[in-house]
Amino acid sequence: EAQVTQNPRYLITVTGKKLTVTCSQNMNHEYMSWYRQDPGLGLRQIYYSMNVEVTDKGDVPEGYKVSRKEKRNFPLILESPSPNQTSLYFCASSLGLAGDLTNTGELFFGEGSRLTVL
Amino acid sequence: GDSVTQMEGPVTLSEEACLTINCTYTATGYPSLFWYVQYPGEGLQLLLKATKADDKGSNKGFEATYRKETTSFHLEKGSVQVSDSAVYFCALSGGDYKLSFGAGTTVTVRA
Repeated sequence: EAQVTQNPRYLITVTGKKLTVTCSQNMNHEYMSWYRQDPGLGLRQIYYSMNVEVTDKGDVPEGYKVSRKEKRNFPLILESPSPNQTSLYFCASSLGLAGDLTNTGELFFGEGSRLTVL
Repeated sequence: GDSVTQMEGPVTLSEEACLTINCTYTATGYPSLFWYVQYPGEGLQLLLKATKADDKGSNKGFEATYRKETTSFHLEKGSVQVSDSAVYFCALSGGDYKLSFGAGTTVTVRA
């Protein structure tokens, strides 16, 4: 089954304790992205990756790191979490986005990871 | 930069009522437009899309038409069901490898 898998789905942690949210896709997609969802703000992009070893900042990258060592995996790292990073996080993947004539930007989302930083 | 504005919710309807969620966009060039739906406890999934002006996307009884002259992509359904209760997001892809989302509209349909 084609899917994007995130772990953990729920996490409560404390300020400053490093954590990693993993993301894996089995669709051989080149493009992967992380979003955070907050009430009234919709989804905001944190980082994205167009291919292995290629990553770029989205709209709200501060406090986050990512890596793309393999095509299928795109972990999100919070080196020193703070309470303002309490949010619902989504990983998504796509064959490509607008500009790629074979694909028009459909994103496939994971089920989300709800993170609480105390 | 590219942006999407959609009507604020929440929206509460009775079953079989008509639903319209307004969405307008700002973009350079010719973006592709999308509606995504998020059911309770789940990730977002694509509901429908349109890639050029005057295209109509449709799925599950929902429709939206890409209107370049009014820069709009309003979502409509003629008769909603309880199972349509969800958060709906309008989004655009402008060719810069980024999908920009609106703030989302929460829709609740009561039996």
